[in-house]
Amino acid sequence: ELKVEQNPLFLSMQEGKNYTIYCNYSTTSDRLYWYRQDPGKSLESLFVLLSNGAVKQEGRLMASLDTKARLSTLHITAAVHDLSATYFCAVDNSRGNKLVFGAGTILRVKS
Amino acid sequence: DGGITQSPKYLFRKEGQNVTLSCEQNLNHDAMYWYRQDPGQGLRLIYYSQIVNDFQKGDIAEGYSVSREKKESFPLTVTSAQKNPTAFYLCASRTILQGPEQPQHFGDGTRLSIL
Repeated sequence: ELKVEQNPLFLSMQEGKNYTIYCNYSTTSDRLYWYRQDPGKSLESLFVLLSNGAVKQEGRLMASLDTKARLSTLHITAAVHDLSATYFCAVDNSRGNKLVFGAGTILRVKS
Repeated sequence: DGGITQSPKYLFRKEGQNVTLSCEQNLNHDAMYWYRQDPGQGLRLIYYSQIVNDFQKGDIAEGYSVSREKKESFPLTVTSAQKNPTAFYLCASRTILQGPEQPQHFGDGTRLSIL
């Protein structure tokens, strides 16, 4: 059974600092997705990672995938308040017909 | 604009009552999904459908039912058998033909509470 673990679950950062969120998963998959959720809102797609070594960047966020280690990272560079949200990683199961989500990382960026 | 519409935004259920959450998409997506989100937890899959007139149970299907009579619609019924229905419910859809590089798109959610 596919399990997805994120850490940390809560992250309080100072503006301007860098940090990394980790997403580990338990079975082989080469399809990983990162989403952002603002409080009380829907999920917004951030990144789609589909192969070993994939790296995607958008603004201050960069995501990578290591399928051999079953690990994805979401790196935040020089955090700003607008990045405060909950970030989820989700992994496609082996049949590619459903996603398994991590518990989410609540990110708070302090001014 | 294409998107996913969930209604209502807020819903209250009396004990013993069945309630239905609506999900409509105009993205021409083949697959549709229902998730439940509880505080401090990730999304958990209730049901999904990859084609009209067919659907599959997810990880927490007990106490829920769905139908997929039209491609654009995937309503979720929360039955009285679901003893703890208070949660945020999210509907999602995805194209299958364009491959895994297309992520699931989500509606704005329905917040269900017990009266």
